[in-house]
Amino acid sequence: GAGVSQSPSNKVTEKGKDVELRCDPISGHTALYWYRQSLGQGLEFLIYFQGNSAPDKSGLPSDRFSAERTGGSVSTLTIQRTQQEDSAVYLCASSLRQGNHEQYFGPGTRLTVT
Amino acid sequence: AQSVAQPEDQVNVAEGNPLTVKCTYSVSGNPYLFWYVQYPNRGLQFLLKYITGDNLVKGSYGFEAEFNKSQTSFHLKKPSALVSDSALYFCAVREGSARQLTFGSGTQLTVLP
Repeated sequence: GAGVSQSPSNKVTEKGKDVELRCDPISGHTALYWYRQSLGQGLEFLIYFQGNSAPDKSGLPSDRFSAERTGGSVSTLTIQRTQQEDSAVYLCASSLRQGNHEQYFGPGTRLTVT
Repeated sequence: AQSVAQPEDQVNVAEGNPLTVKCTYSVSGNPYLFWYVQYPNRGLQFLLKYITGDNLVKGSYGFEAEFNKSQTSFHLKKPSALVSDSALYFCAVREGSARQLTFGSGTQLTVLP
């Protein structure tokens, strides 16, 4: 079946502009995660959605970052007033539910802030 | 708090030789442990996981990992490396009460022909 998809695959934006990144999880997966991967570094957890529960926003680096998940499926990560340090690959993952189930990752969106 | 360490940024091995990519973890409860692989310009792919049971876990592409509770390690192994195994490998841990995975910094594996 289809895997996790993300769009756009690449995004170049000017400093100060807002950007929206989209994630379509695997159908039937109730858990959705956003991570950030900076050059030469590991993955940094950003936010987690599980079903209709309140999201876990503990990883968001600043109030410029927000995310929503509509209808328990598609998620959008929004970065307002982008800064150069926001440049990274943003990865989305989904899993069947919270627990020991492995996460399936999308190909990522490479964001470059100029 | 949960954490994971991959002490080697780079591992080089000759094709046909056994490979080991090291991972150690720290959790306050029982760990759930995972290995992922990332090929250039692609997302992470799940390789294997340890939840409970046998300490030796077998996964995709001939990889296996051994859970060692006393050494808090979960090293990734393969008996005979292939050039196509060259990629970035991430170890991840989640303790029972946590919601998200914590990833290591990654180890770049290069298999030389």
